[in-house]
Amino acid sequence: GDSVTQMEGPVTLSEEAFLTINCTYTATGYPSLFWYVQYPGEGLQLLLKATKADDKGSNKGFEATYRKETTSFHLEKGSVQVSDSAVYFCALTIQGAQKLVFGQGTRLTINP
Amino acid sequence: DVKVTQSSRYLVKRTGEKVFLECVQDMDHENMFWYRQDPGLGLRLIYFSYDVKMKEKGDIPEGYSVSREKKERFSLILESASTNQTSMYLCASSSGQDSNYGYTFGSGTRLTVV
Repeated sequence: GDSVTQMEGPVTLSEEAFLTINCTYTATGYPSLFWYVQYPGEGLQLLLKATKADDKGSNKGFEATYRKETTSFHLEKGSVQVSDSAVYFCALTIQGAQKLVFGQGTRLTINP
Repeated sequence: DVKVTQSSRYLVKRTGEKVFLECVQDMDHENMFWYRQDPGLGLRLIYFSYDVKMKEKGDIPEGYSVSREKKERFSLILESASTNQTSMYLCASSSGQDSNYGYTFGSGTRLTVV
């Protein structure tokens, strides 16, 4: 079945460090890929998305590139801030389907 | 902005009680979903609905049921609450037109069963 695997957390970095959160997927069709972010005490918010191979999604300084050859959608940010502390979820949906399949989430903590 | 509103942020219920979690969306979305979120397990789909009065089981439907009598409202029902249903419950909605827009989530209901 379709699945998403994220790097194990928690991840702790210092402010202004470079961030990578790995995400790989298994899908039988042609998935769209998403990153969601959950700030403390809140629901999930869509951070960025990519709908076809080689697309790059970007938002708030975060980027992720849809790599079909490596079935990956790694999240990156060049210089993190304390306000980026949150739980990040990678997810996929198959074209024409409505269900999202989520990874297990990665908790990120940024120290000043 | 699309809003998905969950009726309670925190609930404490006793074992064996019947529990109702309510979710309302205001963007005329066709699809609505209930997930539970547990540490280390991510989000797991309980039930979803593509239309009024329609429902489909997700990955972990046991011990739960749902109701969708109106397009904007999707209720999750715990028939007889148990301590292993203590969790964060998240409701979401999406347009039936294009799955590429992803979901809009509510803020969640943290349920504790004692």
